[in-house]
Amino acid sequence: GDSVTQMEGPVTLSEEAFLTINCTYTATGYPSLFWYVQYPGEGLQLLLKATKADDKGSNKGFEATYRKETTSFHLEKGSVQVSDSAVYFCALSGNTGNQFYFGTGTSLTVIP
Amino acid sequence: DTAVSQTPKYLVTQMGNDKSIKCEQNLGHDTMYWYKQDSKKFLKIMFSYNNKELIINETVPNRFSPKSPDKAHLNLHINSLELGDSAVYFCASSLRGGRTYFGPGTRLTVT
Repeated sequence: GDSVTQMEGPVTLSEEAFLTINCTYTATGYPSLFWYVQYPGEGLQLLLKATKADDKGSNKGFEATYRKETTSFHLEKGSVQVSDSAVYFCALSGNTGNQFYFGTGTSLTVIP
Repeated sequence: DTAVSQTPKYLVTQMGNDKSIKCEQNLGHDTMYWYKQDSKKFLKIMFSYNNKELIINETVPNRFSPKSPDKAHLNLHINSLELGDSAVYFCASSLRGGRTYFGPGTRLTVT
């Protein structure tokens, strides 16, 4: 079945460091891929998405490129800020419906 | 103008009790969901429901049941609560093929 594998956390970075959170997926067909963010004490928010191969999703300085050849959707940011501290979830939605498959989440802490 | 709302935000109750969490969406979506987020932050789908089909994750105990009085609401009923039910429960909604919107979550603590 469909699934998402996400790098284990927690991740701790200094402000202005480069961030990469790895995500790979297994799916039949052509899924859509997402990154969601959960700030402390809040619900899930869509950060970015890509709906087909080679698409790049971007938002708030974060980017991720849908790589079908490597079945990956890694999240990157060139310079993180303290306010980026949150839990990040990679997710996919299969082309057969609206069910989402989430990764386990990666906790990011950015220190000044 | 809240898109997906849940009540209550926090719920503390004792083992063996029966409780409900309410969810409402004002987006005109046709599909609603319940997710459980455990202490390790893993998010797992429990139910997917529209007016035609209820899809149940087979790992969800039958003590959990979704009830939808209308297209805008999907409530979660939990019978005979257990300690392991403690988690954050997220409601969500979408239109088929569209973006999914999540509610703010309900933190359930079973003592």
